[in-house]
Amino acid sequence: NAGVTQTPKFQVLKTGQSMTLQCAQDMNHNSMYWYRQDPGMGLRLIYYSASEGTTDKGEVPNGYNVSRLNKREFSLRLESAAPSQTSVYFCASRAEDRAQETQYFGPGTRLLVL
Amino acid sequence: GESVGLHLPTLSVQEGDNSIINCAYSNSASDYFIWYKQESGKGPQFIIDIRSNMDKRQGQRVTVLLNKTVKHLSLQIAATQPGDSAVYFCAENGPNEAAGNKLTFGGGTRVLVKP
Repeated sequence: NAGVTQTPKFQVLKTGQSMTLQCAQDMNHNSMYWYRQDPGMGLRLIYYSASEGTTDKGEVPNGYNVSRLNKREFSLRLESAAPSQTSVYFCASRAEDRAQETQYFGPGTRLLVL
Repeated sequence: GESVGLHLPTLSVQEGDNSIINCAYSNSASDYFIWYKQESGKGPQFIIDIRSNMDKRQGQRVTVLLNKTVKHLSLQIAATQPGDSAVYFCAENGPNEAAGNKLTFGGGTRVLVKP
């Protein structure tokens, strides 16, 4: 049981390049989330998916798109990267069981946009 | 708007002492609260949670206290160890299931354990 996995671990992009961050969970969770964390700050929600086939915007969605490919996978795409998107990106998943509401996080993807 | 915040950005504690990390929240409708620990270069790790129908919950060396009257949450770490050095985040979850159970995170408190 690997929990939440993310690829790549680290990426350097030039301004204007595109890339997709991958996330997968093996806990059979319905809800999945993408956050960004800037230095010295907490996590801000970019997008989330409450179930397979649905996605919704979070606090800071501009410049990003997401795809809930299936129940296991939730990807985050940067179509045209900007230096302001330099950050650490975390994926999380959550069970629907009210007795277990905690979100479980992946190890993060560190993105540098030059 | 709704927010979760912390009183102290950095807490230095002597090894073996108890640590107390505080958090204030503003959404009185929130019914679930979580503490996360984040070590350098890693993702947040669940420590302990508490529901709004409780005022105290204990885990292994950790205790979470919830004071709904003043909308305050705290995390107590007993006998702090070097491995407890990390950034600690509180998070709250409102009761609105339709909102995708989004968590609102505080800014974090860094705990430094001195040998």
